[in-house]
Amino acid sequence: NAGVMQNPRHLVRRRGQEARLRCSPMKGHSHVYWYRQLPEEGLKFMVYLQKENIIDESGMPKERFSAEFPKEGPSILRIQQVVRGDSAAYFCASSPPSGNNSPLHFGNGTRLTVT
Amino acid sequence: AQSVTQPDIHITVSEGASLELRCNYSYGATPYLFWYVQSPGQGLQLLLKYFSGDTLVQGIKGFEAEFKRSQSSFNLRKPSVHWSDAAEYFCAVGRYSGGGADGLTFGKGTHLIIQP
Repeated sequence: NAGVMQNPRHLVRRRGQEARLRCSPMKGHSHVYWYRQLPEEGLKFMVYLQKENIIDESGMPKERFSAEFPKEGPSILRIQQVVRGDSAAYFCASSPPSGNNSPLHFGNGTRLTVT
Repeated sequence: AQSVTQPDIHITVSEGASLELRCNYSYGATPYLFWYVQSPGQGLQLLLKYFSGDTLVQGIKGFEAEFKRSQSSFNLRKPSVHWSDAAEYFCAVGRYSGGGADGLTFGKGTHLIIQP
């Protein structure tokens, strides 16, 4: 059984470019969470999605960041016009349809570097 | 608002020695409490979790944690560490067993170094 798959593992972007991070949840999982880990910090919740719905985006920056989880295909975290402060590790986690009371399974993360 | 404090940024322990990693939390209701481990370049792996019942919970890899409501603490312990335990350890708190709305709130982590 494949775990949570994130790609790319490493992404380098110049300031002003767009970054697209992908997350394929575990088979049978329909809930996806995105977290950001800044250097020497813990993970910070960004957004919680179910298929085609954003359930909670209270942790998302108000501008430049968006997330989707379409009916088919992976979840995408999109960062427009990246700045140096966006450099971080971005982790995706998934859980099955029972959702709130099922443990999260984390991917290995995408490490974004903005130059 | 909930918060998690891990007072020790780095801890160095000799292989075979015992280990205790500290975690204090602030939460409005009875929370779910978690410990995760992160090896370099990897994602997070759940070691154990607590919600109710026995305040001493057993996890994977020989770890255990004790919930102390009066101290708002959830310290992680292991009787004898192995070199492979070197990693970053995160304590987390949440309203649900999984992520749920709001997600989980993580501490800043404790970096565990094992000396031969």
